[in-house]
Amino acid sequence: DVKVTQSSRYLVKRTGEKVFLECVQDMDHENMFWYRQDPGLGLRLIYFSYDVKMKEKGDIPEGYSVSREKKERFSLILESASTNQTSMYLCASRSPATYEQYFGPGTRLTVT
Amino acid sequence: AQSVTQLDSQVPVFEEAPVELRCNYSSSVSVYLFWYVQYPNQGLQLLLKYLSGSTLVKGINGFEAEFNKSQTSFHLRKPSVHISDTAEYFCAVTEVTDKLIFGTGTRLQVFP
Repeated sequence: DVKVTQSSRYLVKRTGEKVFLECVQDMDHENMFWYRQDPGLGLRLIYFSYDVKMKEKGDIPEGYSVSREKKERFSLILESASTNQTSMYLCASRSPATYEQYFGPGTRLTVT
Repeated sequence: AQSVTQLDSQVPVFEEAPVELRCNYSSSVSVYLFWYVQYPNQGLQLLLKYLSGSTLVKGINGFEAEFNKSQTSFHLRKPSVHISDTAEYFCAVTEVTDKLIFGTGTRLQVFP
């Protein structure tokens, strides 16, 4: 079974802090994704990565950056957290054969 | 550009009744289609997918969906729901690129 893990289930940070969200997958998938999920808005793509050290902006990249130093790990960085970044963050990796995306359990981030 | 519309934000239904969750998409080319389910405080889990072949697709937990190219729809159905089906359901589409476009979700609430 594919496993995608995220470093924290719940996180509380203060405005202005730098925040790191970590995601690890164990299926050697090249493609990985970060989404944020907000009520009534569904999932919106923040960034994705085709391979190590490669990244592409998604639909809402402002205020975020990413890092992919190893194939299995994809990190989302909030350079200076703001209250409007309070959300659920979901990481996924994609099977090249079926295009199915496998999701982690999510990190619920609260910025106060 | 791709887009996905889930027409119902909430669907209340009694246990053992049939249910249909509607999904329409817009795309000018061939697409792959997915339904995901999200139980409370969890990540997304694949219910079923359409890649090619038979337009009637069967998934886990007794769900099925029918791809209708002329109506650009991919509605999800279950003949008899259970309390445990209470969750949020997301329809998603990809034009065989790396990005999945998600609908805004439908919250299915099953009452005893």
